[in-house]
Amino acid sequence: GAVVSQHPSRVICKSGTSVKIECRSLDFQATTMFWYRQFPKQSLMLMATSNEGSKATYEQGVEKDKFLINHASLTLSTLTVTSAHPEDSSFYICSARLAGFASPLHFGNGTRLTVT
Amino acid sequence: ELKVEQNPLFLSMQEGKNYTIYCNYSTTSDRLYWYRQDPGKSLESLFVLLSNGAVKQEGRLMASLDTKARLSTLHITAAVHDLSATYFCAVGAFGNEKLTFGTGTRLTIIP
Repeated sequence: GAVVSQHPSRVICKSGTSVKIECRSLDFQATTMFWYRQFPKQSLMLMATSNEGSKATYEQGVEKDKFLINHASLTLSTLTVTSAHPEDSSFYICSARLAGFASPLHFGNGTRLTVT
Repeated sequence: ELKVEQNPLFLSMQEGKNYTIYCNYSTTSDRLYWYRQDPGKSLESLFVLLSNGAVKQEGRLMASLDTKARLSTLHITAAVHDLSATYFCAVGAFGNEKLTFGTGTRLTIIP
């Protein structure tokens, strides 16, 4: 089945530094990937839609200058949290659709970000 | 704006019992999904429901969709401990590739 790989699984960084999270589709090409954020014991909130070869589409309230998304190839999207602050600490999950509009999203294993 | 609500938010049930989780959504949709999430883990796809009256079953879980009522149910039959997890429904608004997730139902199966 479709596999989405996300790296790193955990990262601890200091305030003011930047962190890059990678999301790869391992056995399929993904023209579109989705980045979600999940706070403890809460639901998933869509942050942005990452489109290969073009700019990401951000959801309302998500700072595009803070959460930089790059989708340089059909198998890789990256999310960079710039100048991280403690309030950015969260669980970030990427996802991609194998094929077809109705196909379910396949999720990466998530990245637990802790900003100290 | 599409809103998705699940209930109950928390469910504690005994092994062997049956129960149903409900997912209501606010606008026309052309697809609905159920996912499972274990603590600290990512999401696992359970069911894809695409049409009114669709019913899918896998083991002790059965999902159904009523598009007219904008309601999906996830029914658990003879619960076992392994089913303890958080279950999310996710809805795609008609013609929109994005998914909106429900609030989640944290299910705990008690021996």
